[in-house]
Amino acid sequence: NAGVTQTPKFRVLKTGQSMTLLCAQDMNHEYMYWYRQDPGMGLRLIHYSVGEGTTAKGEVPDGYNVSRLKKQNFLLGLESAAPSQTSVYFCASSLRRLAGYQETQYFGPGTRLLVL
Amino acid sequence: QQQVKQSPQSLIVQKGGISIINCAYENTAFDYFPWYQQFPGKGPALLIAIRPDVSEKKEGRFTISFNKSAKQFSLHIMDSQPGDSATYFCAASSGNTGKLIFGQGTTLQVKP
Repeated sequence: NAGVTQTPKFRVLKTGQSMTLLCAQDMNHEYMYWYRQDPGMGLRLIHYSVGEGTTAKGEVPDGYNVSRLKKQNFLLGLESAAPSQTSVYFCASSLRRLAGYQETQYFGPGTRLLVL
Repeated sequence: QQQVKQSPQSLIVQKGGISIINCAYENTAFDYFPWYQQFPGKGPALLIAIRPDVSEKKEGRFTISFNKSAKQFSLHIMDSQPGDSATYFCAASSGNTGKLIFGQGTTLQVKP
């Protein structure tokens, strides 16, 4: 199993350009997440999905959109990139959380994005 | 609003020493407290986790201590090794979505 994979690994954008980050998992996980990691701020949740066709906002959703058309894929879109979106983006996935029990989140290797 | 506060930001420990990282949380609804380890250029990976109905959990050299009344929890790394040099994140979660709220991270350097 490849686990969680992310495409691309690195990208440079100019302000105002758009792009889509792709996350794929082969573990049949129901839940998927997008985080961004910035120095001194830990990881912050952008959007998440608890199942195919569903998405919800996290802590820092502004400027991003997501789609989960297939269970194994979770796409993160930037419609008009801004320098403040320079960050490392991580995708994660997990099994469905049952009452009183938390499933492990498995992270991808990250996408480093630089917006000039 | 930072719901999970982590300290210190960085830590240098000699090989064989004890590394201690602390976290404090605000939301009493949190019911799952994991620690993640991240090596440079890699994604975070679960190291150890605890639920609030126990005060301590140990896995090998790694121990979580949990103080529910103080709303604090900590990671202790015994006999620290250079291979433990990484960034460590505490986190907390509640509800049925599995969303994690992360602390700011601690960069640990273990000197040989």
